Amino acid sequence: DGGITQSPKYLFRKEGQNVTLSCEQNLNHDAMYWYRQDPGQGLRLIYYSQIVNDFQKGDIAEGYSVSREKKESFPLTVTSAQKNPTAFYLCASSREFMNTEAFFGQGTRLTVV
Amino acid sequence: DAKTTQPNSMESNEEEPVHLPCNHSTISGTDYIHWYRQLPSQGPEYVIHGLTSNVNNRMASLAIAEDRKSSTLILHRATLRDAAVYYCILRQNYGGSQGNLIFGKGTKLSVKP
Repeated sequence: DGGITQSPKYLFRKEGQNVTLSCEQNLNHDAMYWYRQDPGQGLRLIYYSQIVNDFQKGDIAEGYSVSREKKESFPLTVTSAQKNPTAFYLCASSREFMNTEAFFGQGTRLTVV
Repeated sequence: DAKTTQPNSMESNEEEPVHLPCNHSTISGTDYIHWYRQLPSQGPEYVIHGLTSNVNNRMASLAIAEDRKSSTLILHRATLRDAAVYYCILRQNYGGSQGNLIFGKGTKLSVKP
């Protein structure tokens, strides 16, 4: 079945360590996105990629990095520079970067201790 | 910033219709109106989208005001599985950062048996 997969579902890291969250899609979508969600809040955009080998900063990119070397993959690295990394991270993809339906993964809950 | 305004919460009884309002007074001619919903600890799920005309699909109906400054998502018969946070989002039909999905805080819908 086609879909978007995030792994792992839960992740624990020590403060000061970088951590990479995986996002893979087999929908042949051009566009991919990373969002962060804090308790009781809406989603905030971290990075987005309109097409392979391209990505742009979203509203809260500081302390994060991404790559888009393959169409199906858009990993997110949470670096030690991110001051409050504990959050629910959501990856999404859409056929095009504009007015098309976005499909979301089930999310990764990152806890930094 | 999100360009839509929604009530923080709404309640409904099971088996009854639900009308979820959204105001978007600054909508431009190229903005599509998208609705997503999010169940607890899951990624958002696409519900419906439209431009000017009312839209129907298997999940819901979207009623768009003639001046497009507001819209209403209609769930025809609420079930307990419809309890979620519903997000109304404007999405432009061309590239640039405006093509992104920018989420607000949404409306938390509770459904009573």
